Amino acid sequence: QVQLQQWGAGLLKPSETLSLTCAVYGGSFSGYYWSWIRQPPGKGLEWIGEINHSGSTNYNPSLKSRVTISVDTSKNQFSLKLSSVTAADTAVYYCARGFPIRVFGVVIRHYMDVWGKGTTVTVSS
Amino acid sequence: DIQLTQSPSFLSASVGDRVTITCRASQGISSYLAWYQQKPGKAPKLLIYAASTLQSGVPSRFSGSGSGTEFTLTISSLQPEDFATYYCQQLNSYRTFGQGTKLEIK
Repeated sequence: QVQLQQWGAGLLKPSETLSLTCAVYGGSFSGYYWSWIRQPPGKGLEWIGEINHSGSTNYNPSLKSRVTISVDTSKNQFSLKLSSVTAADTAVYYCARGFPIRVFGVVIRHYMDVWGKGTTVTVSS
Repeated sequence: DIQLTQSPSFLSASVGDRVTITCRASQGISSYLAWYQQKPGKAPKLLIYAASTLQSGVPSRFSGSGSGTEFTLTISSLQPEDFATYYCQQLNSYRTFGQGTKLEIK
């Protein structure tokens, strides 16, 4: 059974860089996309971006200038960096696995079926 | 950007009721839509993907339908454990979520 375990600093000051890592246990790392999603307190979900085992990334255009997602296949881990944080970046951050859906053998999309438990990140001076 | 609008935002219902939540996209997204259930303090759980495919292990009282710009999630007979917040998500262009529908006990 695949499990995602995530960790990182929970308290940041404005202008610092948020850094989180998610480790994948009990399953394959290749063939999937690996995402970061966040949820501000009392609000809805926001997709941040995703990466595959080859390092191909897609980012939310609204965050793209500040986001870097990277992968370490030797450790089955992927990481999120978000620069120049402000109070608006305060949220629970989740990592998730995107599994492939194929039509006639061609992968068309990756749906998020396994999620980490979330890491609370607070930005405060 | 593709916007998703869920209705209603709040829903009060009783155990055994049939409920339907609607998700409307600002432009056509084919069938690239998922539904998630989230309980307080927990990560979202995938219920439905590709608009109408039930995720493994999800009870059959959950069903999804729709394509293009209008989608629905139906729970045929509410159980106590179904009271939660539900989100739709589009995967046609990048990824965006609806604002959520909170399902409460009447």
